[in-house]
Amino acid sequence: DAGITQSPRYKITETGRQVTLMCHQTWSHSYMFWYRQDLGHGLRLIYYSAAADITDKGEVPDGYVVSRSKTENFPLTLESATRSQTSVYFCASSRQGEEKLFFGSGTQLSVL
Amino acid sequence: KQEVTQIPAALSVPEGENLVLNCSFTDSAIYNLQWFRQDPGKGLTSLLLIQSSQREQTSGRLNASLDKSSGRSTLYIAASQPGDSATYLCAVSGSGYSTLTFGKGTMLLVSP
Repeated sequence: DAGITQSPRYKITETGRQVTLMCHQTWSHSYMFWYRQDLGHGLRLIYYSAAADITDKGEVPDGYVVSRSKTENFPLTLESATRSQTSVYFCASSRQGEEKLFFGSGTQLSVL
Repeated sequence: KQEVTQIPAALSVPEGENLVLNCSFTDSAIYNLQWFRQDPGKGLTSLLLIQSSQREQTSGRLNASLDKSSGRSTLYIAASQPGDSATYLCAVSGSGYSTLTFGKGTMLLVSP
């Protein structure tokens, strides 16, 4: 049972570079989510997707792009990384009609 | 805008104690409330989910209660163990996934 996996686990990049964080789930869950976790702010929703080719903005979408061409993958792209995007990023998924979330182990991103 | 507060921010107890973690929310029009556990450097694991029509949920040594009208939830941990050491977060959901709001968590340390 592979579950939900994120890659890379750690990433260091420079301001202005494009970065893509990967998320893959093996459960065929309909819903997928991207959160960022920062000290003082807790977890905040960036984007979510209800199904393949359906995405919507969360609380803090600026500077991020998502796509969902296949149900199992939900990559998050930082088009031009900024220092304020230094954070821990979590991907999560859930079944249609259920609100229990399953989280990946996270990607720790540092933008220098 | 929904706000979720968790008190205390940190708690240290000796093994064997029963303890209570608190969660309060400002908007009582919630759909459900979830309690999560987060181990250092890991993702979140859903512990309990309480629908708005329910008063409590139990899983093993954990019991979560919900008083929607007063905007409060408690997570009761019986006979605490060192393995319970983690950060516990609560999250409330409005009418859809985009409205899931997290608290900042309570960091629990159970010493042998």
